[in-house]
Amino acid sequence: DVKVTQSSRYLVKRTGEKVFLECVQDMDHENMFWYRQDPGLGLRLIYFSYDVKMKEKGDIPEGYSVSREKKERFSLILESASTNQTSMYLCASSFERGSGYTFGSGTRLTVV
Amino acid sequence: GDSVTQMEGPVTLSEEAFLTINCTYTATGYPSLFWYVQYPGEGLQLLLKATKADDKGSNKGFEATYRKETTSFHLEKGSVQVSDSAVYFCALSVTGYSTLTFGKGTMLLVSP
Repeated sequence: DVKVTQSSRYLVKRTGEKVFLECVQDMDHENMFWYRQDPGLGLRLIYFSYDVKMKEKGDIPEGYSVSREKKERFSLILESASTNQTSMYLCASSFERGSGYTFGSGTRLTVV
Repeated sequence: GDSVTQMEGPVTLSEEAFLTINCTYTATGYPSLFWYVQYPGEGLQLLLKATKADDKGSNKGFEATYRKETTSFHLEKGSVQVSDSAVYFCALSVTGYSTLTFGKGTMLLVSP
């Protein structure tokens, strides 16, 4: 089975800090995604990537950036964390366009 | 644009009751349809999928049929268990695009 691993389950960071959320998949998937999940809002796409060094903005990219230097790793960066970025962050990967995703277990980030 | 609408929850049932969670969609192309499940504190897991009209996806006693004429993909289970308590997400993917569009999720609570 494909495994998507997010480096932290829980993180607490201070306002203004630069935060890195790491995601690694072990099945050579082309496509990787970052979502945030908030009560009442569902899943919202932040960024995605369909190849190394490629990135595309999703629906809510403001305040975030991403890095994909290697195929298996997709990092989400909060340039200057703010309290409204407190959320559950979910990473996912997929084999090809139009196929379903495999999700990681999520990182619950709290910004204080 | 593409969108997915799910019934709002929570859906509260007793063990062994019949479950239906409604899902309808709008899409510009010919989508693939998915149901994902999220257990408390976890990421999303693919439950079932269907890739063309009249296909039936099934897994762990859950079923959903891709109805093009009604643009629906309702999730059903004949007899729910306490362990089915989770949040269920309907999603679609249009051929040729890598991203999934998710509904907002429906919480299911099953009591003994």
